Formats: sequence, C-alpha cells, structure tokens
Amino acid sequence: DAMVIQNPRYQVTQFGKPVTLSCSQTLNHNVMYWYQQKSSQAPKLLFHYYDKDFNNEADTPDNFQSRRPNTSFCFLDIRSPGLGDAAMYLCAISSTAGTDTQYFGPGTRLTVL
Amino acid sequence: EDQVTQSPEALRLQEGESSSLNCSYTVSGLRGLFWYRQDPGKGPEFLFTLYSAGEEKEKERLKATLTKKESFLHITAPKPEDSATYLCAVQADNQGGKLIFGQGTELSVKP
Repeated sequence: DAMVIQNPRYQVTQFGKPVTLSCSQTLNHNVMYWYQQKSSQAPKLLFHYYDKDFNNEADTPDNFQSRRPNTSFCFLDIRSPGLGDAAMYLCAISSTAGTDTQYFGPGTRLTVL
Repeated sequence: EDQVTQSPEALRLQEGESSSLNCSYTVSGLRGLFWYRQDPGKGPEFLFTLYSAGEEKEKERLKATLTKKESFLHITAPKPEDSATYLCAVQADNQGGKLIFGQGTELSVKP
C-alpha cells in the first residue's frame, strides 16, 4: 500500500494562475518534505515541516508556500506560476529529521501554459 | 559547500554485464548516504542507507558500498528491468534532514 499519496498526478495551469498540490501519508510520520525536480535534474528541497514547525530553504522563491493542517496532509501552493516552475513536485516523509530514510510519493507533474 | 557528483551520467549495459555506478561526495559531516531508484515519471524509490565507511548493503542484484569520499552501487548480472535512473543523496550534520542529490546515473540494460 502506498505510504505517500500525491494528488493530482498531473496538473496543468496557466501562467499566473494559483495552483495547489496535495500530499498525504498513511504512516503519521513527523516530517514532510517538498522537493522540486526539473527535467533531467536532481530533486531540490523547497521546504519541510517537522511536526508543525515550518523550515524554508533560503533559496526557495516567495512564490512557493506550504501548509500542513494536520499530521497526515501537506499542501504546496504556487501563488503565481511561471513557465520556469514547470517541474515534477515530490513529497517525501520521514519519522524524524535525522538519518531516517525519506520515502517519496509518486510526484505531481506540473505544466504551466 | 556540500556536494554530490555521480558518474557516469549514462550507462548502457548488455543483460548480464556487471558494472558499478559511482557517487563522490564532499560534506562537512556525513549523517547518511542514500541510494534511490527512479523510473521515468515516478518518484524516487528507496534502495539503501549507508552510515559509515566500510559499510555494505545488498539487495538482489544490487550492492552498495561506502568509503569516506565515495559510494559505489554495484550491479551484478543486470536485467532489463534494472533500467532506471539511480540517484545518490547525502544528509549532512545540522541540515535538518535535507537530502543533497547527485544528478543521477541513467542505466539502460539491453536484452
């Protein structure tokens, strides 16, 4: 059974039109991460939640926001998507922020027209 | 600056032809080194975690090893279903669990 569920799997939006991506987990792990992976590139961490504590990477654009209303769910909001935001967005979970393994979801492929 | 470099970028093998993928890293303090497999259009699938130099882990045709500067993913007698991109990532001390990924090695195994 899937541990990390991402919806939708494919999202098409227009330039500047806000979009929300969803991630849920079945394991009640403390930590949830959002990564951005552009074509043929390595995943890049955007931010993570340790429980309710939000941790933003220094180079994550302000255009990207996140919400974690409860342990199971986490959302990625892109306020005004640009063409450069087209990518695969990956959600991952781990039970602590230490050396515990991160388990990834299937990803959401975002296309910006 | 913490950095991960994988080589080669792409590797083509015949079925049954064993080989190794390399992951070189520089990190201020290594907490863990991770190997993932990623199929096209999918999220990374966890393979191994290595914590200290000299450690080795095996799973089916795959074996991962770790030294103080690099890790190898050895593939013995690969099959076409082993074709995928293999990602190496490190976790450094005081980075809150952040994974720093290499660019990956795209492996293609022909029957």
